[in-house]
Amino acid sequence: ETGVTQTPRHLVMGMTNKKSLKCEQHLGHNAMYWYKQSAKKPLELMFVYSLEERVENNSVPSRFSPECPNSSHLFLHLHTLQPEDSALYLCASSQEAAGVDTQYFGPGTRLTVL
Amino acid sequence: DQQVKQNSPSLSVQEGRISILNCDYTNSMFDYFLWYKKYPAEGPTFLISISSIKDKNEDGRFTVFLNKSAKHLSLHIVPSQPGDSAVYFCAASAGNNRLAFGKGNQVVVIP
Repeated sequence: ETGVTQTPRHLVMGMTNKKSLKCEQHLGHNAMYWYKQSAKKPLELMFVYSLEERVENNSVPSRFSPECPNSSHLFLHLHTLQPEDSALYLCASSQEAAGVDTQYFGPGTRLTVL
Repeated sequence: DQQVKQNSPSLSVQEGRISILNCDYTNSMFDYFLWYKKYPAEGPTFLISISSIKDKNEDGRFTVFLNKSAKHLSLHIVPSQPGDSAVYFCAASAGNNRLAFGKGNQVVVIP
């Protein structure tokens, strides 16, 4: 595997379910991100992990719970979601360095909440 | 408040001609700008970037121009090819690893 991978690619869940999204980066990067992309909206940054520590939580509801066990893996745990949470969830990684902020994205998980 | 704006949500261009995508930003602290390309059912793919110390960066068929005084950047694709049909996102950073994205422009290249 190369680059950034995400599983599953598609997920349909009920509002009472608990599920997890997984992201893995094979680039040797030290920062990982979760984004949400809803229709006709810009990508919204949800969480940032740098060196496995959460450094940003952009006012994301607690029904979304991230986990970063090591610098290569990132999870997004989902519980009691709402239909408006249906979106494309993208994971990205980067190598933190002054002045260079290129992030590399995975293919995303298309989430549908019924 | 959207800090990165991409107007003209869609663009159709004939194969072989130039595609020009525009992006405006409001935050004067932004010093690094990127363009991403996204196909349906895939994540955004990094295309080209430019630092605020430059006003032009070129990579093959892709050139990005930066006008700091106008807080404006543009992406030129020439010649356009059918494989360039995708959504293009402009992004900007203030050097803190936080990217602000525009809503994207749909480009359709007509063979």
